[in-house]
Amino acid sequence: GQQVMQIPQYQHVQEGEDFTTYCNSSTTLSNIQWYKQRPGGHPVFLIQLVKSGEVKKQKRLTFQFGEAKKNSSLHITATQTTDVGTYFCAGLDSGYALNFGKGTSLLVTP
Amino acid sequence: GAGVSQSPRYKVAKRGQDVALRCDPISGHVSLFWYQQALGQGPEFLTYFQNEAQLDKSGLPSDRFFAERPEGSVSTLKIQRTQQEDSAVYLCASSWELAPTYEQYFGPGTRLTVT
Repeated sequence: GQQVMQIPQYQHVQEGEDFTTYCNSSTTLSNIQWYKQRPGGHPVFLIQLVKSGEVKKQKRLTFQFGEAKKNSSLHITATQTTDVGTYFCAGLDSGYALNFGKGTSLLVTP
Repeated sequence: GAGVSQSPRYKVAKRGQDVALRCDPISGHVSLFWYQQALGQGPEFLTYFQNEAQLDKSGLPSDRFFAERPEGSVSTLKIQRTQQEDSAVYLCASSWELAPTYEQYFGPGTRLTVT
């Protein structure tokens, strides 16, 4: 079955540094979603990518979907302490099951 | 407006007991999902409802797990004869659309501890 791998598992940055997390799927995805989960909280939707090579921006966050629709990335420019949390990618190949990666936990120190 | 709510927020069960976890989705949302999230892991899909129809239950780990949504709104996830490996946070999510290709709104989860 489909597997979604995320790297790195953890990332510790100084406030103001950039951060990137990568997501790779073993199969071609119809779409990919990104979620953020704060410590003790629940996943909150950030964005969905559908088209091959798609790039979307939300303020300091840039999301990319690979040409082959098997990989994706999330890049945060100039991190802030409010960016702390775990970032999950979740891929959909077919059917109804959204397959989440294990997430990348981001720690930002001021 | 109100988001997705789940109850109870915490449940401690002795091994072998049955538990029932409730999910109240956002009013009008037709799609409802259940996930299991172990500590330090991403959510794992359990089952999907479109209104009252359970269209996918491929993620339910065993026949001890059963989910229903009889009137197309509130859903209940039932676990029979709980085992220690069932300890996890159970998340419910709902969506406006008929397919999972749209934003899912998650509830706060029920943390189940089996002793």
